[in-house]
Amino acid sequence: DAKTTQPPSMDCAEGRAANLPCNHSTISGNEYVYWYRQIHSQGPQYIIHGLKNNETNEMASLIITEDRKSSTLILPHATLRDTAVYYCIVRVGENYGGSQGNLIFGKGTKLSVKP
Amino acid sequence: NAGVTQTPKFQVLKTGQSMTLQCAQDMNHEYMSWYRQDPGMGLRLIHYSVGAGITDQGEVPNGYNVSRSTTEDFPLRLLSAAPSQTSVYFCASSYTFGGAEWGGELFFGEGSRLTVL
Repeated sequence: DAKTTQPPSMDCAEGRAANLPCNHSTISGNEYVYWYRQIHSQGPQYIIHGLKNNETNEMASLIITEDRKSSTLILPHATLRDTAVYYCIVRVGENYGGSQGNLIFGKGTKLSVKP
Repeated sequence: NAGVTQTPKFQVLKTGQSMTLQCAQDMNHEYMSWYRQDPGMGLRLIHYSVGAGITDQGEVPNGYNVSRSTTEDFPLRLLSAAPSQTSVYFCASSYTFGGAEWGGELFFGEGSRLTVL
């Protein structure tokens, strides 16, 4: 069963911030939130992950609500190359080898960046 | 660094034929896994391995076999191909899996597109 809920699709204007929401209302205290994206027909690409605090790297920012029941991935200045399917995944962080440690991909959000 | 290499990129099989999808990584990663992706679906985990000699089943293991005799290679075998196995297959690896030190990054190959007639 999917642990996350994402809108199936979103549009964003080129140069604008893209804010992709994810609902994970049943997240446990030891589960991390991971974001990946898949550009047409390619293998998924890691973007960012976090536990409680907001995180930022060269690709994106991750904002996690205080109750951790939802999060938002922010692409600050979306480009046409950011058009992709974005996956939000929750996973137990402190786990090695057990099936619960695997990344389970849902259907994600198809982000279309338009000129 | 080649990263994760999958071969072949494209393959057409007839029902009942067998074949092996190859996956190799040159990053000395302990963890490797196979996913399949069908149209309109996310990725579904088939099998995974946390090290040489250790494999386990994922969500959809039926019809597939794996082995891990070396750290570098993790082949996926289709014993008797069926049209339901028509899909895009992705191999992924990570230097470890789980634990506080894991950065969360799985490295994926470019995919192998399989059609079973």
